[in-house]
This record gives sequence, structure tokens and C-alpha cells, in this order.
Amino acid sequence: GQNIDQPTEMTATEGAIVQINCTYQTSGFNGLFWYQQHAGEAPTFLSYNVLDGLEEKGRFSSFLSRSKGYSYLLLKELQMKDSASYLCAVNTGFQKLVFGTGTRLLVSP
Amino acid sequence: DTAVSQTPKYLVTQMGNDKSIKCEQNLGHDTMYWYKQDSKKFLKIMFSYNNKELIINETVPNRFSPKSPDKAHLNLHINSLELGDSAVYFCASRRGQGSTEAFFGQGTRLTVV
Repeated sequence: GQNIDQPTEMTATEGAIVQINCTYQTSGFNGLFWYQQHAGEAPTFLSYNVLDGLEEKGRFSSFLSRSKGYSYLLLKELQMKDSASYLCAVNTGFQKLVFGTGTRLLVSP
Repeated sequence: DTAVSQTPKYLVTQMGNDKSIKCEQNLGHDTMYWYKQDSKKFLKIMFSYNNKELIINETVPNRFSPKSPDKAHLNLHINSLELGDSAVYFCASRRGQGSTEAFFGQGTRLTVV
């Protein structure tokens, strides 16, 4: 089976830093994606990791440890518009992209 | 131009009816997907097609039948709709596999009454 777990909900303050964790146990692994989804909208791509380490992209960074089955998304200098759901997704092979449970982030002033 | 477009955006229908949702992508991608997002916002894969061939079928009831007339289109037909089918259905497309991200359509909110 495929298990991809994330915290259900997180809250943070504008200007702060927040880390959203994702742990996975999947039948295969060929990379991990992070997506952002605002309410009522489609998921949009944020980042991709296939090798261990940190990938930085502006205010967003994503980390992967394949041996631990663990990733996190780090959001710096939080803005109100960052309030959204953040979805971790694993490419388990054979073009299968499996999503985690999603984390709803609420940023308050 | 919209990269992945779905129609309709909203669909309200009665139990027992048959309905279709259409999806088109103009990105030249080889792989297309249907996902179902329930009220808890969990995005669950249903089907995947690669170059018009079905490659993933995630134990979805056979009331759901995908059809891919060509690699730019993937439609979803649902027979005998049930209350539990109410959800947002997302189409997505992707070039090959590996590091390429999936692009999503705007979703179809299906409500069965």
C-alpha cells in the first residue's frame, strides 16, 4: 500500500517561518513533489526533490531524506496569501503520482 | 490559453443519472490523469492514460469509465450516479515521468442530489 502522511492543519503568523512535514512509505519512489492549493482552485506545482538534500526556490525550500522516507516544505517570510493547502506527492513509478493527506496552513496577521 | 481545461466546472445532477466530464490539454503531454478530491480535500488517483492507453486503474467502481480518443483528451463518464460520487474531479497531464510535474485543470465540482 501507499502511505503518505502530513499534519492536517497548521497555523502561523505573517512574517514567520513554517515547516510542513511529509512522511511516506510507498511501493516505489521516483521523486517527491510539493503542490499548493488555494480553496476552490487547482493544485499548482511548487517544488521537486529526487535526491537527498535541500532545494531552494525563493521563499520556499523543500528537503528530502530518502532513507528516512521524509520530506519537508519550508516557507519563509510568510504572507497572508500563503494561506492554502500544501500537498506532498510521491512519484511511485509507472507514472503514478500519489498524493498525501494535505496540510491546511492558516496565516494570521 | 488554458493548458488543461475541464468542462463543466459545476455539475448538479440527480442520483441514478449518467454524466460525463471532459478534459483537454494543449501541452503536448503523453500522460493524463483523473483524480477525485473529497470533502476532506484528499486527492485520490483514479485513472491514468499514457498515449491513449490505460495504465492505472485504482479499483474505481466500474460505473466510472474513462475514454481517451487521442492523447490530448481524457473524458470521464459516470453511470448510475450515487450520493457518494459528490466530489471535485480534477484532470491533470504530465510529460513522461520522473521529474516532470503534473498540470491540473480547474476541477469539476460534481454534486449528486
